Amino acid sequence: AQSVTQPDIHITVSEGASLELRCNYSYGATPYLFWYVQSPGQGLQLLLKYFSGDTLVQGIKGFEAEFKRSQSSFNLRKPSVHWSDAAEYFCAVTTNAGGTSYGKLTFGQGTILTVHP
Amino acid sequence: EAGVAQSPRYKIIEKRQSVAFWCNPISGHATLYWYQQILGQGPKLLIQFQNNGVVDDSQLPKDRFSAERLKGVDSTLKIQPAKLEDSAVYLCASSPRTLTYEQYFGPGTRLTVT
Repeated sequence: AQSVTQPDIHITVSEGASLELRCNYSYGATPYLFWYVQSPGQGLQLLLKYFSGDTLVQGIKGFEAEFKRSQSSFNLRKPSVHWSDAAEYFCAVTTNAGGTSYGKLTFGQGTILTVHP
Repeated sequence: EAGVAQSPRYKIIEKRQSVAFWCNPISGHATLYWYQQILGQGPKLLIQFQNNGVVDDSQLPKDRFSAERLKGVDSTLKIQPAKLEDSAVYLCASSPRTLTYEQYFGPGTRLTVT
């Protein structure tokens, strides 16, 4: 069965510092990977996605992520964090392999980001 | 383009009562999803519709949860009777078609069962 692990429940960084949020997945088929952000009281907003091709993908709000198949990872990065980036971040995976998993998103448990001024 | 609409935004009920949530997806989106997000966890898929047909409801507790998407547009999710463990945020998402894999989420309905 597919699974996604986000090892860090809570991360605190200072404004202007760099950020890396970790995501590891377990998947038998070709994974399609996503990062979503959720602000308090809001739905999930897609930051970026990886389907194929260049393993370094750029997203909105200055975020990027790198797909590393050998490590089953899809870590999210930002070179300089802004106070408005404080939110909860979710990594998610789906597949194009067909069957009942087709298009079905499996989410990690989320990482809460706190930004200190 | 209007986003995914959900109502109500908040609901408080007592256990054993019934509750219904409504979702209106983005216009033209064929695929609709309902997720349950318990505090401190990622969203978990409850049911997926393609137009008005069910694609996946393997994680829907069918003894108490039901969902329908009449006419392939908006959808309702019902819980009857509610239990304390149903307290969660219920998220609706839609996708233009399954092959795009991109899902657009509504703001959610926060349910508290007391």
